[in-house]
Amino acid sequence: DADVTQTPRNRITKTGKRIMLECSQTKGHDRMYWYRQDPGLGLRLIYYSFDVKDINKGEISDGYSVSRQAQAKFSLSLESAIPNQTALYFCATSDFQTTRNTGELFFGEGSRLTVL
Amino acid sequence: SQKIEQNSEALNIQEGKTATLTCNYTNYSPAYLQWYRQDPGRGPVFLLLIRENEKEKRKERLKVTFDTTLKQSLFHITASQPADSATYLCAPAGGSYIPTFGRGTSLIVHP
Repeated sequence: DADVTQTPRNRITKTGKRIMLECSQTKGHDRMYWYRQDPGLGLRLIYYSFDVKDINKGEISDGYSVSRQAQAKFSLSLESAIPNQTALYFCATSDFQTTRNTGELFFGEGSRLTVL
Repeated sequence: SQKIEQNSEALNIQEGKTATLTCNYTNYSPAYLQWYRQDPGRGPVFLLLIRENEKEKRKERLKVTFDTTLKQSLFHITASQPADSATYLCAPAGGSYIPTFGRGTSLIVHP
């Protein structure tokens, strides 16, 4: 099983629908992140969480919300999806000790969302 | 605002040659810089980190340089192989240790 698991992997929805993307990790990391990737724009940070009680906005948080239900779970919600939220979404994790050494992020396989 | 620039055009090279990818940044003073590899439809995978006080870092066939005066990092793959074909992402990070990613450069190694 993957260390960082995202569900669903693919989702097609309609404008105005509420969508939740879920991320769970078995790495025991304290830090979790949601990124969005668009062709030609690279990865952009949506939200990040350094522990269960810590939630922070990233570069492009408008239109999104998150929930850190447990150390291992970090969900991204689109309350009312719009077509320009069509993108590939990645969850990532890191831990403080690793961060201090390499800062390495461990990514999930991605969730491809299409909003019609 | 912070800006990270990587060559948007794909880099095509012959097997066995050295590939050199460039990352430039502006309005930014990163404490370190990471490089990731991303294959189509997959999540990025960490390759190397270089800190602001390091000039060069090596790992197997990979070499990264970091010039804080030029605000540039170079990523080299020596003796390139077709399996090295992928998109390579530059990701500087500041004191928060949260990387900001460039768009990536696609590398295509021809046999």
